[in-house]
Amino acid sequence: EAGVAQSPRYKIIEKRQSVAFWCNPISGHATLYWYQQILGQGPKLLIQFQNNGVVDDSQLPKDRFSAERLKGVDSTLKIQPAKLEDSAVYLCASSSLSLKRRPNTEAFFGQGTRLTVV
Amino acid sequence: KQEVTQIPAALSVPEGENLVLNCSFTDSAIYNLQWFRQDPGKGLTSLLLIQSSQREQTSGRLNASLDKSSGRSTLYIAASQPGDSATYLCAVSSLGRLYFGRGTQLTVWP
Repeated sequence: EAGVAQSPRYKIIEKRQSVAFWCNPISGHATLYWYQQILGQGPKLLIQFQNNGVVDDSQLPKDRFSAERLKGVDSTLKIQPAKLEDSAVYLCASSSLSLKRRPNTEAFFGQGTRLTVV
Repeated sequence: KQEVTQIPAALSVPEGENLVLNCSFTDSAIYNLQWFRQDPGKGLTSLLLIQSSQREQTSGRLNASLDKSSGRSTLYIAASQPGDSATYLCAVSSLGRLYFGRGTQLTVWP
């Protein structure tokens, strides 16, 4: 089966500009996650969707970050305006069920988008 | 709050050595533990997933153990190869989320 698809793979922008990332999860996976991984750290959950609804966005910096999953399939994550500290790899993952509903569900990750803010 | 720690942060070994990577977590109320591999600039590849009711999982040269009561997991890599060079991340499913450690950066030289 096809894996989680993300684009672009790399992006370089100047601070205060905006940027958007796209993710297409594994077909049939109801749950989609966006993670931020700063260099040298483990991934940190930004937002979790169950179909097209938000399950957990407690760690999303909502003043500059937004995400949507309008039709319950693919998703976009936007940063506006970007700051230097947003430089990171943004990982999208999907699972068949939400970790809240089925905590032993396995999550599958995409290749990530490496963002550099200069 | 769940916290995941991985030791060592980095490891450099000659080819052929058997390795042990360590992962510890503060809250034993986990549902599963997953070991991932991450190559530079790439996403995460799942290596092994251990359910909370299991003690270990094996895949080829990899063996992962889980001691939930003590909050520890180890990833054992047998007969290491240069192709094993990557960052290895441990993640626990807990409280409706995956919590990650910072990873162990492994370099295996010929």
